[in-house]
Amino acid sequence: AQTVTQSQPEMSVQEAETVTLSCTYDTSENNYYLFWYKQPPSRQMILVIRQEAYKQQNATENRFSVNFQKAAKSFSLKISDSQLGDTAMYFCALKWAYKYIFGTGTRLKVLA
Amino acid sequence: DTAVSQTPKYLVTQMGNDKSIKCEQNLGHDTMYWYKQDSKKFLKIMFSYNNKELIINETVPNRFSPKSPDKAHLNLHINSLELGDSAVYFCASSSDREWNTGELFFGEGSRLTVL
Repeated sequence: AQTVTQSQPEMSVQEAETVTLSCTYDTSENNYYLFWYKQPPSRQMILVIRQEAYKQQNATENRFSVNFQKAAKSFSLKISDSQLGDTAMYFCALKWAYKYIFGTGTRLKVLA
Repeated sequence: DTAVSQTPKYLVTQMGNDKSIKCEQNLGHDTMYWYKQDSKKFLKIMFSYNNKELIINETVPNRFSPKSPDKAHLNLHINSLELGDSAVYFCASSSDREWNTGELFFGEGSRLTVL
């Protein structure tokens, strides 16, 4: 069975600092994708970054980057230069075929 | 134009009632989903349709019935509402063509409160 685990229910970081959110997953599929989604208090789900499992290079989107360790089935999200607007729930997600599953989320608070 | 739109965004109703939530996407996607987000923010897939065909039906009570009149619409009807149905329901869509990575596009969510 496929699973996604986020072991940090809550985290906080000072504005302008760097924070890393952890995610591990388990799948027997060869072809899959990994995502980080952000859900601010407005409750809208927003894609932060995606990673194709067949790509070895870690994805980067501006201040957001991932550390994808395929053998370890680990997919952590690094947020650099944290901003107050980064305060949100962050969900790690695994996609294979037509199915997506999400981790339980990490609530991130950026402190002024 | 909103890519994935859900109506209504808020719904308050009494136990035992029947209610529907509508979803439409204008992205030309083939696959649509319903997710339930509970009070602890856990997102659980309920249903998925691909080209109007049901492809995923998780262990959801049969009081929940999805309907996809065409591939741009996926509606959710709930009969005999119970207190435990209170949640935010998200509609989402994705394209599973080869050149897409299958990002999920979400609606804004519909908060259902059952009294």
